[in-house]
Amino acid sequence: SAVISQKPSRDICQRGTSLTIQCQVDSQVTMMFWYRQQPGQSLTLIATANQGSEATYESGFVIDKFPISRPNLTFSTLTVSNMSPEDSSIYLCSAQDSIRDTQYFGPGTRLTVL
Amino acid sequence: QKEVEQNSGPLSVPEGAIASLNCTYSDRGSQSFFWYRQYSGKSPELIMFIYSNGDKEDGRFTAQLNKASQYVSLLIRDSQPSDSATYLCAVKDDKIIFGKGTRLHILP
Repeated sequence: SAVISQKPSRDICQRGTSLTIQCQVDSQVTMMFWYRQQPGQSLTLIATANQGSEATYESGFVIDKFPISRPNLTFSTLTVSNMSPEDSSIYLCSAQDSIRDTQYFGPGTRLTVL
Repeated sequence: QKEVEQNSGPLSVPEGAIASLNCTYSDRGSQSFFWYRQYSGKSPELIMFIYSNGDKEDGRFTAQLNKASQYVSLLIRDSQPSDSATYLCAVKDDKIIFGKGTRLHILP
């Protein structure tokens, strides 16, 4: 299975600022995803990070608020822009193992916006 | 809209008993089915996947799939306190859809 790391593991940010979360996979993967998980809630898909093209965003999420980069097959970033307290959440990077059609998660980034 | 339904729980099971977790899904075209375990404050961890009707066993875990009934379950034998977690069912056709999870509590 793919091993996924994320940086930072947690951060406390001020309203109106931006935070970029990095995701590194230990092997080349075709599909990478970004999720958000509020405390006690299930996973919400933000977008699919496509290598070499723009990310595909889910309903309710827009590129201006959550710009995503995917410069190669092992790395992606998610930026949370112009943050408000409502953006406080855990952000999870995920990658798909194309051979077994399974999906794995990074350890997550716990974001608190004051 | 494609949906994956799970009982939110908590499901309380005595230590050593069998824990049975259930999930139904709406999309008949779904091809792949997964169970994830998520401890509090941690990210989801894939524990089982199943693609064909029937049972699939891995250690104390058994996944069961019935495509005709659009039903997938996870059995945990000889439940241990360390099995206490939230279990997420996930179903995939072109995209993976997660259920809201069932909280399992193993009583020592």
